[in-house]
Amino acid sequence: GDSVTQMEGPVTLSEEAFLTINCTYTATGYPSLFWYVQYPGEGLQLLLKATKADDKGSNKGFEATYRKETTSFHLEKGSVQVSDSAVYFCALSRYTGTASKLTFGTGTRLQVTL
Amino acid sequence: DGGITQSPKYLFRKEGQNVTLSCEQNLNHDAMYWYRQDPGQGLRLIYYSQIVNDFQKGDIAEGYSVSREKKESFPLTVTSAQKNPTAFYLCASSLGPSNQPQHFGDGTRLSIL
Repeated sequence: GDSVTQMEGPVTLSEEAFLTINCTYTATGYPSLFWYVQYPGEGLQLLLKATKADDKGSNKGFEATYRKETTSFHLEKGSVQVSDSAVYFCALSRYTGTASKLTFGTGTRLQVTL
Repeated sequence: DGGITQSPKYLFRKEGQNVTLSCEQNLNHDAMYWYRQDPGQGLRLIYYSQIVNDFQKGDIAEGYSVSREKKESFPLTVTSAQKNPTAFYLCASSLGPSNQPQHFGDGTRLSIL
Protein backbone atom coordinates (compact mmCIF):
# COMPACT_ATOMS: atom_id res chain seq x y z
CA GLY A 1 0.00 0.00 0.00
CA ASP A 2 0.87 3.66 -0.03
CA SER A 3 3.20 5.03 2.64
CA VAL A 4 5.03 8.23 3.57
CA THR A 5 8.21 8.37 5.65
CA GLN A 6 9.40 11.56 7.30
CA MET A 7 12.49 12.30 9.30
CA GLU A 8 11.93 12.06 13.03
CA GLY A 9 11.89 15.20 15.10
CA PRO A 10 12.11 17.37 16.87
CA VAL A 11 14.25 19.52 14.63
CA THR A 12 15.68 22.43 16.59
CA LEU A 13 17.15 25.40 14.71
CA SER A 14 18.22 28.93 15.46
CA GLU A 15 16.37 31.74 13.74
CA GLU A 16 17.61 32.40 10.18
CA ALA A 17 19.04 28.88 9.83
CA PHE A 18 18.39 26.71 6.76
CA LEU A 19 15.69 24.07 7.08
CA THR A 20 15.37 20.68 5.41
CA ILE A 21 12.75 18.12 6.41
CA ASN A 22 13.10 14.89 4.46
CA CYS A 23 10.11 13.04 3.05
CA THR A 24 10.05 9.91 0.90
CA TYR A 25 7.04 8.00 -0.33
CA THR A 26 5.91 4.67 -1.73
CA ALA A 27 2.93 4.61 -4.05
CA THR A 28 1.73 3.10 -7.28
CA GLY A 29 0.63 5.33 -10.10
CA TYR A 30 1.07 9.08 -10.01
CA PRO A 31 0.23 10.58 -6.64
CA SER A 32 -0.01 14.25 -5.79
CA LEU A 33 2.22 15.35 -2.93
CA PHE A 34 1.53 17.85 -0.17
CA TRP A 35 3.07 19.49 2.85
CA TYR A 36 0.73 20.49 5.66
CA VAL A 37 1.57 22.50 8.80
CA GLN A 38 -0.11 22.18 12.20
CA TYR A 39 0.20 24.82 14.91
CA PRO A 40 -0.54 23.83 18.53
CA GLY A 41 -4.20 23.04 19.15
CA GLU A 42 -5.21 23.69 15.56
CA GLY A 43 -6.08 21.73 12.45
CA LEU A 44 -3.82 21.23 9.46
CA GLN A 45 -3.17 23.98 6.94
CA LEU A 46 -2.04 23.26 3.41
CA LEU A 47 1.45 24.67 2.98
CA LEU A 48 2.29 23.65 -0.60
CA LYS A 49 1.57 21.00 -3.20
CA ALA A 50 2.95 19.38 -6.34
CA THR A 51 0.91 17.29 -8.74
CA LYS A 52 3.47 15.78 -11.11
CA ALA A 53 7.14 14.90 -11.38
CA ASP A 54 9.56 17.86 -11.31
CA ASP A 55 6.86 20.25 -10.10
CA LYS A 56 8.05 22.64 -7.42
CA GLY A 57 5.56 23.77 -4.81
CA SER A 58 6.28 26.96 -2.90
CA ASN A 59 4.60 29.15 -0.31
CA LYS A 60 5.74 31.58 2.42
CA GLY A 61 9.41 30.89 1.65
CA PHE A 62 9.00 27.11 1.83
CA GLU A 63 9.75 24.95 -1.22
CA ALA A 64 9.56 21.28 -2.16
CA THR A 65 10.25 19.53 -5.47
CA TYR A 66 8.50 16.34 -6.61
CA ARG A 67 11.34 13.93 -7.41
CA LYS A 68 9.97 10.78 -8.98
CA GLU A 69 13.39 9.17 -9.49
CA THR A 70 14.13 9.30 -5.76
CA THR A 71 10.45 9.20 -4.64
CA SER A 72 11.09 12.23 -2.46
CA PHE A 73 9.46 15.56 -1.61
CA HIS A 74 11.82 17.27 0.82
CA LEU A 75 10.70 20.53 2.44
CA GLU A 76 13.20 23.42 2.50
CA LYS A 77 13.31 27.00 3.70
CA GLY A 78 16.30 29.29 3.44
CA SER A 79 15.82 31.23 6.66
CA VAL A 80 13.43 30.04 9.37
CA GLN A 81 11.65 32.28 11.87
CA VAL A 82 10.38 31.60 15.38
CA SER A 83 6.85 31.75 13.95
CA ASP A 84 7.63 28.68 11.79
CA SER A 85 7.67 26.49 14.91
CA ALA A 86 5.02 23.85 14.27
CA VAL A 87 4.54 20.24 13.19
CA TYR A 88 4.97 19.56 9.48
CA PHE A 89 3.26 16.65 7.73
CA CYS A 90 4.15 15.24 4.34
CA ALA A 91 1.26 13.52 2.55
CA LEU A 92 0.36 11.90 -0.75
CA SER A 93 -2.96 11.63 -2.50
CA ARG A 94 -3.75 8.99 -5.05
CA TYR A 95 -6.99 8.74 -6.98
CA THR A 96 -8.09 5.11 -7.40
CA GLY A 97 -10.95 5.81 -9.81
CA THR A 98 -13.59 5.78 -7.12
CA ALA A 99 -11.99 7.67 -4.28
CA SER A 100 -9.07 9.87 -3.37
CA LYS A 101 -7.45 9.47 0.03
CA LEU A 102 -4.54 11.14 1.77
CA THR A 103 -1.75 9.09 3.31
CA PHE A 104 0.22 11.02 5.94
CA GLY A 105 3.66 10.76 7.41
CA THR A 106 3.96 10.84 11.18
CA GLY A 107 4.92 14.52 11.26
CA THR A 108 8.12 16.38 12.13
CA ARG A 109 8.13 18.93 14.92
CA LEU A 110 10.19 22.06 14.20
CA GLN A 111 11.36 24.30 17.03
CA VAL A 112 13.00 27.60 16.12
CA THR A 113 14.80 29.55 18.83
CA LEU A 114 16.14 33.10 18.96
CA ASP B 1 -15.07 33.53 4.62
CA GLY B 2 -15.47 29.94 3.51
CA GLY B 3 -14.21 27.21 5.74
CA ILE B 4 -14.82 24.17 7.87
CA THR B 5 -16.32 24.49 11.34
CA GLN B 6 -15.93 21.77 13.91
CA SER B 7 -17.73 21.81 17.23
CA PRO B 8 -17.31 21.55 20.08
CA LYS B 9 -13.61 22.29 20.48
CA TYR B 10 -13.44 20.11 23.62
CA LEU B 11 -15.72 17.20 24.46
CA PHE B 12 -15.87 14.81 27.36
CA ARG B 13 -17.43 11.36 27.25
CA LYS B 14 -18.54 9.14 30.06
CA GLU B 15 -18.08 5.40 29.89
CA GLY B 16 -20.78 3.73 27.80
CA GLN B 17 -21.92 6.99 26.22
CA ASN B 18 -22.18 7.88 22.55
CA VAL B 19 -21.07 11.36 21.53
CA THR B 20 -21.43 13.21 18.24
CA LEU B 21 -18.87 15.59 16.75
CA SER B 22 -20.13 18.21 14.34
CA CYS B 23 -18.51 19.19 11.05
CA GLU B 24 -19.94 21.83 8.73
CA GLN B 25 -18.40 23.29 5.56
CA ASN B 26 -19.45 26.18 3.32
CA LEU B 27 -16.83 25.57 0.63
CA ASN B 28 -19.28 23.72 -1.62
CA HIS B 29 -16.98 20.70 -1.51
CA ASP B 30 -18.35 17.31 -2.50
CA ALA B 31 -16.00 15.12 -0.45
CA MET B 32 -15.66 15.10 3.33
CA TYR B 33 -13.40 13.12 5.67
CA TRP B 34 -12.87 12.30 9.34
CA TYR B 35 -9.42 11.64 10.78
CA ARG B 36 -8.14 10.68 14.18
CA GLN B 37 -4.83 12.05 15.46
CA ASP B 38 -3.00 10.53 18.44
CA PRO B 39 0.03 12.18 20.09
CA GLY B 40 3.19 11.86 18.03
CA GLN B 41 1.39 10.12 15.20
CA GLY B 42 0.10 11.01 11.82
CA LEU B 43 -3.56 11.15 10.88
CA ARG B 44 -5.59 8.01 10.38
CA LEU B 45 -8.73 7.96 8.25
CA ILE B 46 -11.95 6.95 9.98
CA TYR B 47 -14.66 7.54 7.34
CA TYR B 48 -15.05 9.49 4.14
CA SER B 49 -17.88 10.54 1.89
CA GLN B 50 -17.66 11.48 -1.78
CA ILE B 51 -21.31 12.48 -2.22
CA VAL B 52 -24.48 13.01 -0.20
CA ASN B 53 -26.07 9.84 1.21
CA ASP B 54 -22.95 7.79 0.56
CA PHE B 55 -19.90 7.11 2.73
CA GLN B 56 -17.13 4.52 3.06
CA LYS B 57 -15.08 3.12 5.90
CA GLY B 58 -11.51 4.25 6.25
CA ASP B 59 -8.68 2.47 7.97
CA ILE B 60 -10.03 2.61 11.55
CA ALA B 61 -13.85 2.72 11.29
CA GLU B 62 -14.66 0.30 14.12
CA GLY B 63 -16.53 2.01 16.95
CA TYR B 64 -17.49 5.03 14.82
CA SER B 65 -20.47 5.93 12.66
CA VAL B 66 -21.27 8.80 10.27
CA SER B 67 -24.08 10.21 8.18
CA ARG B 68 -24.15 12.49 5.14
CA GLU B 69 -27.67 13.81 4.73
CA LYS B 70 -26.56 17.22 3.49
CA LYS B 71 -23.63 18.31 1.38
CA GLU B 72 -22.50 20.76 4.06
CA SER B 73 -22.58 18.41 7.04
CA PHE B 74 -20.74 15.22 8.01
CA PRO B 75 -21.22 14.42 11.71
CA LEU B 76 -19.18 11.70 13.41
CA THR B 77 -20.56 9.61 16.27
CA VAL B 78 -18.09 7.97 18.61
CA THR B 79 -19.96 5.00 20.02
CA SER B 80 -19.45 3.13 23.28
CA ALA B 81 -17.89 0.35 21.20
CA GLN B 82 -14.83 2.55 20.64
CA LYS B 83 -12.73 1.49 23.62
CA ASN B 84 -9.99 4.08 23.26
CA PRO B 85 -11.71 7.26 22.05
CA THR B 86 -9.37 9.82 23.61
CA ALA B 87 -7.83 11.65 20.63
CA PHE B 88 -7.90 14.77 18.50
CA TYR B 89 -10.49 14.46 15.71
CA LEU B 90 -10.12 16.37 12.46
CA CYS B 91 -12.68 16.89 9.74
CA ALA B 92 -11.63 17.78 6.19
CA SER B 93 -13.21 18.43 2.81
CA SER B 94 -12.09 18.58 -0.79
CA LEU B 95 -13.56 19.47 -4.18
CA GLY B 96 -14.15 15.92 -5.28
CA PRO B 97 -12.76 12.51 -6.18
CA SER B 98 -9.44 13.70 -7.58
CA ASN B 99 -6.08 14.61 -6.17
CA GLN B 100 -7.28 17.94 -4.84
CA PRO B 101 -5.89 19.13 -1.52
CA GLN B 102 -8.00 18.64 1.56
CA HIS B 103 -8.95 21.56 3.78
CA PHE B 104 -9.16 20.97 7.53
CA GLY B 105 -11.19 22.26 10.43
CA ASP B 106 -9.62 23.20 13.77
CA GLY B 107 -10.43 19.88 15.38
CA THR B 108 -12.28 18.51 18.41
CA ARG B 109 -10.40 17.09 21.37
CA LEU B 110 -12.30 14.20 22.95
CA SER B 111 -11.45 12.98 26.44
CA ILE B 112 -12.89 10.31 28.72
CA LEU B 113 -14.21 11.26 32.13
